[in-house]
Parts: sequence; structure tokens; C-alpha cells
Amino acid sequence: SAVISQKPSRDICQRGTSLTIQCQVDSQVTMMFWYRQQPGQSLTLIATANQGSEATYESGFVIDKFPISRPNLTFSTLTVSNMSPEDSSIYLCSVYTPSEGNEQFFGPGTRLTVL
Amino acid sequence: AQSVTQPDIHITVSEGASLELRCNYSYGATPYLFWYVQSPGQGLQLLLKYFSGDTLVQGIKGFEAEFKRSQSSFNLRKPSVHWSDAAEYFCAVDSGAGSYQLTFGKGTKLSVIP
Repeated sequence: SAVISQKPSRDICQRGTSLTIQCQVDSQVTMMFWYRQQPGQSLTLIATANQGSEATYESGFVIDKFPISRPNLTFSTLTVSNMSPEDSSIYLCSVYTPSEGNEQFFGPGTRLTVL
Repeated sequence: AQSVTQPDIHITVSEGASLELRCNYSYGATPYLFWYVQSPGQGLQLLLKYFSGDTLVQGIKGFEAEFKRSQSSFNLRKPSVHWSDAAEYFCAVDSGAGSYQLTFGKGTKLSVIP
């Protein structure tokens, strides 16, 4: 199974600033995703991180607010831009590869608090 | 678009008692179905999954789930709950259209009393 690490594990940020979250996988994976889990809520898919091309965003999420990079098959970043308190959430990356039986593996998450 | 409903927000059971967590989905075809568990401060761990075949699937930690097409349900069960099972449980569906994007239910928080 894939082992996923995320940095930072948590952060407290000021309104109007930006934070970049890193997701590192210990093996090459086909697909990487970013999810948001707002306090007391379920997970919502933000976007699919595509290697070598622009990310594919879900309804309600835009590139200017959540720019994503995926320079190779083991690494991706999500930036939360111009943050407001409403962005306080846990951000999780997940990975999928067909050889792992259609299972998605999730990272431990980044807990973001915006003051 | 697919959706997932977990009607129970919070369930409390006694240690050793049986458990059933409900999950209903909305999707035109047979989806891929998953149950994940999230312990406090932890990421998500897959308990079990259903793609096709036998409608009763076994997972880790003694959990099982049964897919019932007629009821659009995929309920999670465990015959005897342990205190360490206290966590949040999420049901998820993948449309199976090649996107591998999961839609999650709102989750059920399980508390276990000694």
C-alpha cells in the first residue's frame, strides 16, 4: 500500500495570507486528489491533480483560490490562497493506482486554522 | 450526480454489543462502495470495499458490510464492538466511470461505553 506524508501537519495562519501544503507518496501513483474536510463535516473533493497539466477542479473550487501543482508521479502541492476563517479545515491528499485494487489511500491531513 | 446518506450522526454502543451503521446511496448503476474509518487526529483508513460479486464483504478489524441493490444500501456491521472502534465512519461511493473520485457521506460518529 502507498504511504503518504503531508507537510505541514497543522498550521495557524493569518487572514489574507497563503499556505502551501505538500503531499509526498513513497511510490509512483496514477492519480492524486485533494479533499477538504470542514469542521464536523465530511470530505469534499477539491480537485484532481494531473501530472504535467492543469488540475481538474470540482464545482465550487477555482484555481485562483486553490492552485495545485503536480510535477511528477509522487508529489503534489495545494495552495490555499488569500485565506479567510472559512478556509479553516483539514486538507487531505489521496492517491489511487490500479495495481492497488482500486483503493484510494489517504494522507494524514493538514489541519489549517485561519485567524 | 451520486450522493451518499448516512442517517445516523452519532451512535453510542456498549462494548461487546453489536453494531450496524447505515449507508444509502443514490446512483443509477452499481457503484463502487467503500467504508472508511477516521480516528481522532488520524487520516482515513479503508475498512472494506464492494465492486461486484458476493454482496457480503469482509473487511479489516472484524467489520463486514452487505450490499443490497433493492434498498440502495451498504450497511456496515460488527458483531462485537471494542472500545478501540470509537471513531468516525464514512461511507463513500465511486461512480466507477473511471474518475475514481469519491463522494462521501457526512459520517457517523461512534462512541463506545465500557
